[in-house]
Amino acid sequence: DQQVKQNSPSLSVQEGRISILNCDYTNSMFDYFLWYKKYPAEGPTFLISISSIKDKNEDGRFTVFLNKSAKHLSLHIVPSQPGDSAVYFCAASDSSYKLIFGSGTRLLVRP
Amino acid sequence: NAGVTQTPKFRVLKTGQSMTLLCAQDMNHEYMYWYRQDPGMGLRLIHYSVGEGTTAKGEVPDGYNVSRLKKQNFLLGLESAAPSQTSVYFCASSKYRGTVNTEAFFGQGTRLTVV
Repeated sequence: DQQVKQNSPSLSVQEGRISILNCDYTNSMFDYFLWYKKYPAEGPTFLISISSIKDKNEDGRFTVFLNKSAKHLSLHIVPSQPGDSAVYFCAASDSSYKLIFGSGTRLLVRP
Repeated sequence: NAGVTQTPKFRVLKTGQSMTLLCAQDMNHEYMYWYRQDPGMGLRLIHYSVGEGTTAKGEVPDGYNVSRLKKQNFLLGLESAAPSQTSVYFCASSKYRGTVNTEAFFGQGTRLTVV
């Protein structure tokens, strides 16, 4: 059973608007969460992370929100740019050192 | 600065053949991971290692073996390849598992086809 779920396989957004990507998890032992971005034929690259002791982390246009009670996190991209078009993966880790990924959301930012 | 290097980048195997995928990192990272990426399934963890000489099973370990004889290398072996192992394989490494600098760095991937 998937421990990290991204229920939206794809998202299309107009350039300049906000993109919101969602992620749910089932394992309450996860205490560190990350977002990765992946372009075709390349390995994933790290985008932003958040510890379970926080509920928000910002880095430029990217903000990650964590709702521990709902076991839900989201990535906000504001404003969205065409270069943001990629597959976004949410990942989570716990004290066992595993790093578990979701199935990904393909974001398309339309000019 | 090479980062994480995977060898080979492409490979076609016949069913029943064996092969080893090599992952090398030059960042002195403790943790290394092998993932496979399949359409609609995302990245699934095969095996991982928390240090030289140690390995552990991930989400989908069956049909694969791994070894971490040197800190910088993590090998993924397929003893008897099956068509279900056709996938893109990614290796990753990370320095810590904590609140700082925990992000994993990925290689470019190995596209394996088993016919």
